[in-house]
Amino acid sequence: AQSVTQLGSHVSVSEGALVLLRCNYSSSVPPYLFWYVQYPNQGLQLLLKYTSAATLVKGINGFEAEFKKSETSFHLTKPSAHMSDAAEYFCAVSANTGNQFYFGTGTSLTVIP
Amino acid sequence: EPEVTQTPSHQVTQMGQEVILRCVPISNHLYFYWYRQILGQKVEFLVSFYNNEISEKSEIFDDQFSVERPDGSNFTLKIRSTKLEDSAMYFCASTLQGSRDTQYFGPGTRLTVL
Repeated sequence: AQSVTQLGSHVSVSEGALVLLRCNYSSSVPPYLFWYVQYPNQGLQLLLKYTSAATLVKGINGFEAEFKKSETSFHLTKPSAHMSDAAEYFCAVSANTGNQFYFGTGTSLTVIP
Repeated sequence: EPEVTQTPSHQVTQMGQEVILRCVPISNHLYFYWYRQILGQKVEFLVSFYNNEISEKSEIFDDQFSVERPDGSNFTLKIRSTKLEDSAMYFCASTLQGSRDTQYFGPGTRLTVL
């Protein structure tokens, strides 16, 4: 079965600092991996996805994630945090068969001015 | 840009009452989903729906739950007799294609059962 684990339910960074949000996955076959962001009172918005092409995936708002098979990781990074990045971030993996996604518990990102 | 919408944004109900959560998926999408997130826990899959029938469901989706696409635009989740443990945020999602396609999510309905 597939699963994802997000380490750190809360992450705080200073404005302009590196953002690193961690996600590790478990999958018996090459996974499709996703990062979603949720701003207050809004839906889950796709940031980026990995679909077995390039291991470094670039997304919206300056975010990127690197797929590392040896570490079963798909960490999300952004070189310089902006105040508008404050939100909840979810990592997800798609099922090997069927259509459902498996989500992590989410990481709440706070950006300190 | 097309988006998934959900109503209401917040629903408060008494235990044992029926609730219907509504979703309008993106218009040309073919696959529809419900997920829920109990406060502080993971977003969990409930059910997927395609071609007017359930294609998958999780263990959470028991006989108290049902889904329906009553017309060409709405997709609903009904809970027949709500329990305290049904209190959660419920998300609707849709995709154009099925397996592994990006799922587009609505803003969620927060259900509070008293």
